[in-house]
Amino acid sequence: DQQVKQNSPSLSVQEGRISILNCDYTNSMFDYFLWYKKYPAEGPTFLISISSIKDKNEDGRFTVFLNKSAKHLSLHIVPSQPGDSAVYFCAASAYGGSQGNLIFGKGTKLSVKP
Amino acid sequence: GAGVSQSPRYKVAKRGQDVALRCDPISGHVSLFWYQQALGQGPEFLTYFQNEAQLDKSGLPSDRFFAERPEGSVSTLKIQRTQQEDSAVYLCATPPTSGDQETQYFGPGTRLLVL
Repeated sequence: DQQVKQNSPSLSVQEGRISILNCDYTNSMFDYFLWYKKYPAEGPTFLISISSIKDKNEDGRFTVFLNKSAKHLSLHIVPSQPGDSAVYFCAASAYGGSQGNLIFGKGTKLSVKP
Repeated sequence: GAGVSQSPRYKVAKRGQDVALRCDPISGHVSLFWYQQALGQGPEFLTYFQNEAQLDKSGLPSDRFFAERPEGSVSTLKIQRTQQEDSAVYLCATPPTSGDQETQYFGPGTRLLVL
């Protein structure tokens, strides 16, 4: 049973517009959530994270929103750029982000068209 | 990322062959994780070390999988009698050594293909 779900396998967005990637989870013990970006033939690259005690975290063009009651988080990219085209993985942990194993979703492939 | 290297980058093995995959973090990384990423899936946890101690091996899929980190630095993931379902990318990850950032940095992975 998947504890972290990314229900959209792919998303296509025009350059300059907003990209919204969604993630749902089932385990209420998760206390840390992370987003990774992955290019082909490379390992996942950390993007941004959020603790369960917060509902928003922002870093440049990237913002992560957490709705604990709905067990839902989203990643907003504004404005989207062609270089953002990659597979985005949502991950969660019940032990912080660094000392416990991460549970990943299956990923969403983002295509940003010029 | 952040100084984690893995070798080999690609490995083709015949079914039944033993393989050894290496993870080489920059010294000072206390924690080390191994993940397996099958095609079209997200990474899945295999095992976790703190220094040389293997604290969690609950994700290892069978007793054909074995991991070690004898000196608390380099780690090796060994797969005995490989099967086709072992074909995947094997990723090594470590948390940052400084700052309070709660994350794990991943190496480039070893892509294993079992024929």
